[in-house]
Amino acid sequence: GDSVTQMEGPVTLSEEAFLTINCTYTATGYPSLFWYVQYPGEGLQLLLKATKADDKGSNKGFEATYRKETTSFHLEKGSVQVSDSAVYFCALSDQGYSTLTFGKGTMLLVSP
Amino acid sequence: DAGITQSPRYKITETGRQVTLMCHQTWSHSYMFWYRQDLGHGLRLIYYSAAADITDKGEVPDGYVVSRSKTENFPLTLESATRSQTSVYFCASSEVGASSPLHFGNGTRLTVT
Repeated sequence: GDSVTQMEGPVTLSEEAFLTINCTYTATGYPSLFWYVQYPGEGLQLLLKATKADDKGSNKGFEATYRKETTSFHLEKGSVQVSDSAVYFCALSDQGYSTLTFGKGTMLLVSP
Repeated sequence: DAGITQSPRYKITETGRQVTLMCHQTWSHSYMFWYRQDLGHGLRLIYYSAAADITDKGEVPDGYVVSRSKTENFPLTLESATRSQTSVYFCASSEVGASSPLHFGNGTRLTVT
């Protein structure tokens, strides 16, 4: 079945450091790919998405490119802030685009 | 205010009891979902619904029952709670399944003793 693998956390960075969170996937067909973010005590919210190969999703300084050849969708940000501390989830849609399969999540901790 | 609300926010129950978690959305979204979040497992789909009176199993449906008689409500019932169902439960809704953003509630933390 479809699956998503994310790097294990926590990822600890200093403010203004470069961020990469790796995500690879296994799927049949051509899924859409997503990054969701969860702040403490809250539900998840969509951060960015890409719907086809070579698409780049971007939002709030975060970027991720849909790489079909490497089945990857790595999340990057050039300069993280303390307020970016959260848990980040990579996800893919099923073939019918009805549901999402999530990775296990990666906690990011940014210190001043 | 428009949004998705879950209740209760916290619940403690005993093994074998029936418990219902409530979810209500004000957007009239077609799709609604129930996920559980556990350390080491991330989010796993329990059930989802594409419209009123249409429900489908997700990855981990055993021990759970759902219904959707109205578009805006999607309650999740644990018919006989077990300790393995201790978890944080998230309800979500979306306009058109996974093609549109999922909007999540703030979760219900359930403890089964």
